[in-house]
Amino acid sequence: DQQVKQNSPSLSVQEGRISILNCDYTNSMFDYFLWYKKYPAEGPTFLISISSIKDKNEDGRFTVFLNKSAKHLSLHIVPSQPGDSAVYFCAASTINDYKLSFGAGTTVTVRA
Amino acid sequence: ETGVTQSPTHLIKTRGQQVTLRCSSQSGHNTVSWYQQALGQGPQFIFQYYREEENGRGNFPPRFSGLQFPNYSSELNVNALELDDSALYLCASSLGQQGAGETQYFGPGTRLLVL
Repeated sequence: DQQVKQNSPSLSVQEGRISILNCDYTNSMFDYFLWYKKYPAEGPTFLISISSIKDKNEDGRFTVFLNKSAKHLSLHIVPSQPGDSAVYFCAASTINDYKLSFGAGTTVTVRA
Repeated sequence: ETGVTQSPTHLIKTRGQQVTLRCSSQSGHNTVSWYQQALGQGPQFIFQYYREEENGRGNFPPRFSGLQFPNYSSELNVNALELDDSALYLCASSLGQQGAGETQYFGPGTRLLVL
């Protein structure tokens, strides 16, 4: 049962433009959401997180938006850089259950 | 602050064999979680240990077992290997603070191939 879904397997964006990655979830008990970035042959690297009491969190070029009523979150990367080319995973957890449920990932390619 | 490390990086086994994968968590992190990532999929939760006790388990059979040690190291053991066990195995550590949203920090993974 896939509780976290990333429906776009890939995204191609020009350098300097905005990348928007989307994630949907079905479990209304999720209250903590994270984005991870993964390069080939490496483990996932934590990017940014948001708790359910917020609807936006920013960290430099990365902003995560949470829409609880729609059970949807998105990651904006502005401006996109060649080093952002990687697989991005959306993950979610509940506050008392530390396991992470992951989406299948979105492969981002930033074109020069 | 040292990161999360895993060994070995790659491993080839044959069906029916047993394997032990190792992880060293970040110092001070009381929780370690193990995930299996099949090709083209997101990581799937196997189980979690908190202060050397199993703290939760995903939909994996009992032939997947683990240990956590006081020195922040841990093991994932898989018995009676099957071809479908071929995957990237990731461990992740976190502080284990009750009642707080937890960020888990991942190691580079062990790539297991079962022939």
